[in-house]
Amino acid sequence: SQTIHQWPATLVQPVGSPLSLECTVEGTSNPNLYWYRQAAGRGLQLLFYSVGIGQISSEVPQNLSASRPQDRQFILSSKKLLLSDSGFYLCAWSLERNTEAFFGQGTRLTVV
Amino acid sequence: AQRVTQPEKLLSVFKGAPVELKCNYSYSGSPELFWYVQYSRQRLQLLLRHISRESIKGFTADLNKGETSFHLKKPFAQEEDSAMYYCALRGAQKLVFGQGTRLTINP
Repeated sequence: SQTIHQWPATLVQPVGSPLSLECTVEGTSNPNLYWYRQAAGRGLQLLFYSVGIGQISSEVPQNLSASRPQDRQFILSSKKLLLSDSGFYLCAWSLERNTEAFFGQGTRLTVV
Repeated sequence: AQRVTQPEKLLSVFKGAPVELKCNYSYSGSPELFWYVQYSRQRLQLLLRHISRESIKGFTADLNKGETSFHLKKPFAQEEDSAMYYCALRGAQKLVFGQGTRLTINP
């Protein structure tokens, strides 16, 4: 069966420090991968999506970047965190058209 | 552009009353529409998709291309329906969500 792992579950980082959030998918091949930020009153904001290794589409200009070094690995990064980067980050995967997306447990990031 | 709008951030109804969560979308191609639900302390999960035309937990949603809407409905709300509901649109490979509606069912 397919599973998605996202870690860490919570993270507290100082302003200006780097960030690396990792997401891995098991039990499937060539998934579409997504990073979202969930904020109160703003819903789920799509940050990045990827349809294949090394292929990253950015939706929102910001202080973050994403990479897909392997087929089932999706990484969200920042060189220098800002206070405004605080939030709840979700990774998800899906396959073909009209199939559902599966979400990770999320990472609560607090930048202090 | 691909966009989903859920005009109500909060919706509160009494148990047994009908529920309608509104969703409007903007997309130039052939849309794939979904409703996702997030119960307290659980992961976001699929509730239903327009292509299936099915009823899940008593909820239905009809795609109205003329009005570009995909409203979620249930004739008789139950307390366990209290959750956060997201409408989603998939165009090509991109999957975008609305702002979400927090539904509260009062006893």
